[in-house]
Amino acid sequence: DGGITQSPKYLFRKEGQNVTLSCEQNLNHDAMYWYRQDPGQGLRLIYYSQIVNDFQKGDIAEGYSVSREKKESFPLTVTSAQKNPTAFYLCASSISRDRPGELFFGEGSRLTVL
Amino acid sequence: AQRVTQPEKLLSVFKGAPVELKCNYSYSGSPELFWYVQYSRQRLQLLLRHISRESIKGFTADLNKGETSFHLKKPFAQEEDSAMYYCALTASGGSYIPTFGRGTSLIVHP
Repeated sequence: DGGITQSPKYLFRKEGQNVTLSCEQNLNHDAMYWYRQDPGQGLRLIYYSQIVNDFQKGDIAEGYSVSREKKESFPLTVTSAQKNPTAFYLCASSISRDRPGELFFGEGSRLTVL
Repeated sequence: AQRVTQPEKLLSVFKGAPVELKCNYSYSGSPELFWYVQYSRQRLQLLLRHISRESIKGFTADLNKGETSFHLKKPFAQEEDSAMYYCALTASGGSYIPTFGRGTSLIVHP
């Protein structure tokens, strides 16, 4: 099946620990994104990548890091510097910047800090 | 800067009633507008985009540049329409990263 796969679906972390969320796509899309979804706040952009080996900060990048070593993979690391990491994280992709706005989303990963 | 405003956090209607989910945007250039929907336990997905001018699942949305609005409408709501709806904007010719509104939760009662 073509699509975006996020793992794990649920993750618990102790304060002070880093955690990495996986995002893989087999759609051959150039662009990939990470959003954070909080109740009442909609989707806020954390990082995005338009091409392999390149990525840009979004609106709320502090406390997060990413890499884009392969076209199909865009992992997000939530570091201990993120003050309020408990949230639902969504990964998305789009064909290219020639098709703006048409994003394909994963099922999300829910991170809970204990 | 581009901004999307969805003034209603929650919209509650009865089955068969008309539905209008409001979306207003702020952008000085020529925008592209979208509606995304997230049904319970499903992934977020594109519902419709203004340039397509199509009706999906009975929903339509017209871009009103004068009022900077892109309201989502359906004449007769169904229970299966209950979901979270997000309006999104991209700036044509500029940043193509979508900016999302805060979302409106639509509940359709039987």
